[in-house]
Amino acid sequence: EVQLVQSGAEVKKPGESLKISCKGSGYSFTSYWIGWVRQMPGKGLEWMGIIYPGDSDTRYSPSFQGQVTISADKSISTAYLQWSSLKASDTAMYYCVRAVEMATVFFDIWGQGTMVTVSS
Amino acid sequence: EIVLTQSPATLSLSPGERATLSCRASQSVSSYLAWYQQKPGQAPRLLIYDASNRATGIPARFSGSGSGTDFTLTISSLEPEDFAVYYCQQRSNWPLITFGQGTRLEIK
Repeated sequence: EVQLVQSGAEVKKPGESLKISCKGSGYSFTSYWIGWVRQMPGKGLEWMGIIYPGDSDTRYSPSFQGQVTISADKSISTAYLQWSSLKASDTAMYYCVRAVEMATVFFDIWGQGTMVTVSS
Repeated sequence: EIVLTQSPATLSLSPGERATLSCRASQSVSSYLAWYQQKPGQAPRLLIYDASNRATGIPARFSGSGSGTDFTLTISSLEPEDFAVYYCQQRSNWPLITFGQGTRLEIK
């Protein structure tokens, strides 16, 4: 079964660092882009950025450039999303997604989500 | 940045009725459009890609159409499990990807 399994919920304080993970299985991890999508409470979906684990080519949404870092370790089929200094406004559900390139680039597999809560 | 505008924001219908959801792009995205369904407490699910192709396992009552700037997701006869939030998404200016703001389909 093709799946993405994300790390568990996190509760952090403002200013702390955080790295959440997304492990792929059931397919060739290095052959598909892995992206991250934010969903703030009660809000819509926002694309944050994407990485190609095969060569670590990484692209960011302008809205998230410099705010987060996306990385991957292909030896363990895992992608990461990290913050160096969290803010309360980072409180959200974060989904990793597998991206398929056809005419459209679309997200066919979604992780279960990682809820990040930032509160003092 | 290409902006996707979905309408209506909320659609109230009864089971068995036909649902028509709209997604309009601020400039042409060719056929580079996908649709997703999200139920409360769940991750989104891919429904349609390349504007009109159903994803694996998606029932035939879901269909997508359109090209350029105007796209439609149609649910031919609503089932109780179809009441959810629907998002469109484009990749025309890869690697920039954007989502629409969503349409909430609720039971009337």
